[in-house]
Amino acid sequence: EADIYQTPRYLVIGTGKKITLECSQTMGHDKMYWYQQDPGMELHLIHYSYGVNSTEKGDLSSESTVSRIRTEHFPLTLESARPSHTSQYLCASSDTGRHNEQFFGPGTRLTVL
Amino acid sequence: AQRVTQPEKLLSVFKGAPVELKCNYSYSGSPELFWYVQYSRQRLQLLLRHISRESIKGFTADLNKGETSFHLKKPFAQEEDSAMYYCALQTGANNLFFGTGTRLTVIP
Repeated sequence: EADIYQTPRYLVIGTGKKITLECSQTMGHDKMYWYQQDPGMELHLIHYSYGVNSTEKGDLSSESTVSRIRTEHFPLTLESARPSHTSQYLCASSDTGRHNEQFFGPGTRLTVL
Repeated sequence: AQRVTQPEKLLSVFKGAPVELKCNYSYSGSPELFWYVQYSRQRLQLLLRHISRESIKGFTADLNKGETSFHLKKPFAQEEDSAMYYCALQTGANNLFFGTGTRLTVIP
């Protein structure tokens, strides 16, 4: 079944740890995105990719990095987690072209102690 | 710079009453606007897009370029409409800018 997956769903981790949030999609989409959302606030685009080996930073500066080695996989990495990274992270994908719907994953809620 | 404003964080209406969720935007280019919805314990999903001029689940939204608004309306609210609603603006780079969202509660 075509879907977009995120793991883990919840993560509580100590300061200084390296973490990777996984995002995979079986939608056959070229474009993928990472959003960050603090409680009660907007979703902010932090990274996006138009395809394999393409990654761009979004409108919100983030210390995280991403990679796109495979079309279906778009992991996000924090080399050294800090409490300021505590947030919800949403992954999405879409077809290329304008007016196209973005499909969202279930999200990862990250807490850094 | 582009910006999306949803002035109401919370909105409560009685079942059967009309509902309007406000959205204003600022963007120097030609705007493309969307409404996304998140029901309880579900993912964020597209509700409607202005380019389609469609009615989804009884909701409509008209783009008013003069007032830079894209308000979401439904004439008779239902309990199942209770959800978080986000207005979003697509820029030339095909990226979405979201508002802060409005939590709609429909009171039985």
